[in-house]
Amino acid sequence: AQTVTQSQPEMSVQEAETVTLSCTYDTSESNYYLFWYKQPPSRQMILVIRQEAYKQQNATENRFSVNFQKAAKSFSLKISDSQLGDTAMYFCAFMNDFGNEKLTFGTGTRLTIIP
Amino acid sequence: DTGVSQDPRHKITKRGQNVTFRCDPISEHNRLYWYRQTLGQGPEFLTYFQNEAQLEKSRLLSDRFSAERPKGSFSTLEIQRTEQGDSAMYLCASSLIFSRPVHTGELFFGEGSRLTVL
Repeated sequence: AQTVTQSQPEMSVQEAETVTLSCTYDTSESNYYLFWYKQPPSRQMILVIRQEAYKQQNATENRFSVNFQKAAKSFSLKISDSQLGDTAMYFCAFMNDFGNEKLTFGTGTRLTIIP
Repeated sequence: DTGVSQDPRHKITKRGQNVTFRCDPISEHNRLYWYRQTLGQGPEFLTYFQNEAQLEKSRLLSDRFSAERPKGSFSTLEIQRTEQGDSAMYLCASSLIFSRPVHTGELFFGEGSRLTVL
């Protein structure tokens, strides 16, 4: 079974600074997908960024980028120029290639952006 | 608002009572998922449907839990004889699957139904 580990329960950063959230995972599969989801306070969870394991190029979405290290099974999220609206729980998630699109989530990192 | 909606948003019940949660997915989405999220944890998969067919159930889904999606649209999650350990946020999500190998992994989540069992 796959496991996802987020070792930073809470982080805080000043507005406009850069912050990196860590995630490691364990799997025996060679092809899979990794995600970062954001859950703002009292709001629904939304997808931030996605990475296919077979792609060597790291995914980027505007201010969000990932550092995907397949051999190390590491998948960190970098948020540049952080904004107050980035305050949220961030969940790293794993999906296998079996077609069921079932996500395995980590325990989350609570990120607070300080004005 | 055409997102995923869940009802009720918060349910307080006494141990031993039955509760039912409803999820209305995004209208054209053919897949619907139920997850459970307890305090300090990430969401855990419970079950999912493709159209009206329930394709997979987690071992977390005990016999007291039943989920249905009768017409491939909305879904219900019923918990019978609730226990205090059932207290959690129950999240519904939906997605649109065309065919393999197309994977997006983007699930669209509702705001959740929070269950408190006294």
